[in-house]
Amino acid sequence: EIVLTQSPATLSVSPGDSVTLSCRASQRVSNYLAWYQQKPGQAPRLLIHAASARATGIPARFSGSGSGTEFTLTISSLQSEDFAVYYCQQYYNWPPFTFGQGTKLE
Amino acid sequence: QVHLQESGPGLVKPSETLSLSCNVSGGSVRSGSHYWSWIRQPPGKGLEWIGYVFHSGSTLYNPSLKSRVTIAVDTANNRFSLRLNSVTAADTAVYYCARTCYQPCGFDIWGQGTMVTMSS
Repeated sequence: EIVLTQSPATLSVSPGDSVTLSCRASQRVSNYLAWYQQKPGQAPRLLIHAASARATGIPARFSGSGSGTEFTLTISSLQSEDFAVYYCQQYYNWPPFTFGQGTKLE
Repeated sequence: QVHLQESGPGLVKPSETLSLSCNVSGGSVRSGSHYWSWIRQPPGKGLEWIGYVFHSGSTLYNPSLKSRVTIAVDTANNRFSLRLNSVTAADTAVYYCARTCYQPCGFDIWGQGTMVTMSS
């Protein structure tokens, strides 16, 4: 099973900041990595797939990069609605599909 | 657009079987381009993929749950289902149904989720 480790667990930020979240895979996953945003009481929302491709309707301030075992999600000019928990997920080697433990923006 | 909606009991007794259904609207479970998955999230914790079903009825499960899980597709009613046997308190979670591409692309459509508590 591929383990995804996200860092940091919590990030204290302010509106307008640019933030970078990290996801490290225990094995190479090529670019088969997705990022999700989850707000309290809501289902996760797909932000990024294939490591860097924005999903439909996702604002350009969200960008993903990386390949192999190291990935980042960058949010430029943080908006108030961006305060949430962010998860990475690999779909290179399954079963199972696996998720990171999440990074909370507060 | 495609919409997923979970339904089922919110309370299940330990040792019994959890049964949930996911109704698909605005699209078809007969799609040869998508897998239909169940994912769960214990309170305050992260996400765990349970398994998926294809329109043909073929399935794939998380090895950690495989012995207790059955996922099935009902093409006549455009829905798919989850059964989890011998539940314990550790199975208490929000259960989501979700869609992913046949050539996986992430889970692009999610239901709103349903909280299921295992308690007597």
